Amino acid sequence: GAVVSQHPSWVICKSGTSVKIECRSLDFQATTMFWYRQFPKQSLMLMATSNEGSKATYEQGVEKDKFLINHASLTLSTLTVTSAHPEDSSFYICSARGGAGGLNTQYFGPGTRLTVL
Amino acid sequence: AQSVAQPEDQVNVAEGNPLTVKCTYSVSGNPYLFWYVQYPNRGLQFLLKYITGDNLVKGSYGFEAEFNKSQTSFHLKKPSALVSDSALYFCAVRDSLNGATNKLIFGTGTLLAVQP
Repeated sequence: GAVVSQHPSWVICKSGTSVKIECRSLDFQATTMFWYRQFPKQSLMLMATSNEGSKATYEQGVEKDKFLINHASLTLSTLTVTSAHPEDSSFYICSARGGAGGLNTQYFGPGTRLTVL
Repeated sequence: AQSVAQPEDQVNVAEGNPLTVKCTYSVSGNPYLFWYVQYPNRGLQFLLKYITGDNLVKGSYGFEAEFNKSQTSFHLKKPSALVSDSALYFCAVRDSLNGATNKLIFGTGTLLAVQP
C-alpha cells in the first residue's frame, strides 16, 4: 500500500488562531514523514522531517515554535501552525516514506489549503 | 550538493502525439530519481522511479523515463498523450551517497498542456 491522507483538506481561520493538520499513512507504517509548503505555481519547499518518536528536524528558515510537528506513531504526524497570520496561508503537503515502493519512495498526501484571514 | 533542473516551464503537445518532459540532475553519488504528477489543488502522485538496474523505467498511466548517466538526465516520456495527462509534473532526486543529505530535492515543475 501507499496511501497517505491529510485532514482537513482545507481550512479557513482567523489571524492569531492555531490550526492542526493531520497526516496519516493509511496502509503502511512510516518511520519518516515530511512536511512541505507550496506557494502558487511554485515547487515544494521542505519544511521539516519528522521521525517517529523523536523531535522533528527543521529546514533553515522554518520557525520550529511556529510550525509544531509531532510524529507520535508510525502512521500519524501532525503539523500545528501556531498563531497563524495571513502570510502563513499556503498549501501544505505531507509525505511519508515507505509503503509499496520501499524506503526509497515517498508518497504524498492530497494537501491542505490553509487560508488565514 | 544535489540539484535537479526542469528547463521547461511548460510543454504543449497535441493529443495523440508523443510527449517528453525534460529533467537533469546533479548529485555526488548515485542518484535516486523520481517523477511525480500534481493535479490542481491536489498532492503529488508517484509516477515512477529509478533506483538501479534497467535504464528504462516504466510507470503509471503509460509513462516511462530513461536514465542517462552520461547526460545526467531522466526525461519523462509517453508515446501518445491524452488530454487527461494535462497537469504539473515534478522531477525529484535524492543522493544515495552515504553522508549526503537524505532529502528529496524537487525541480521547479513543468506544466504539461495537451490540446485536443
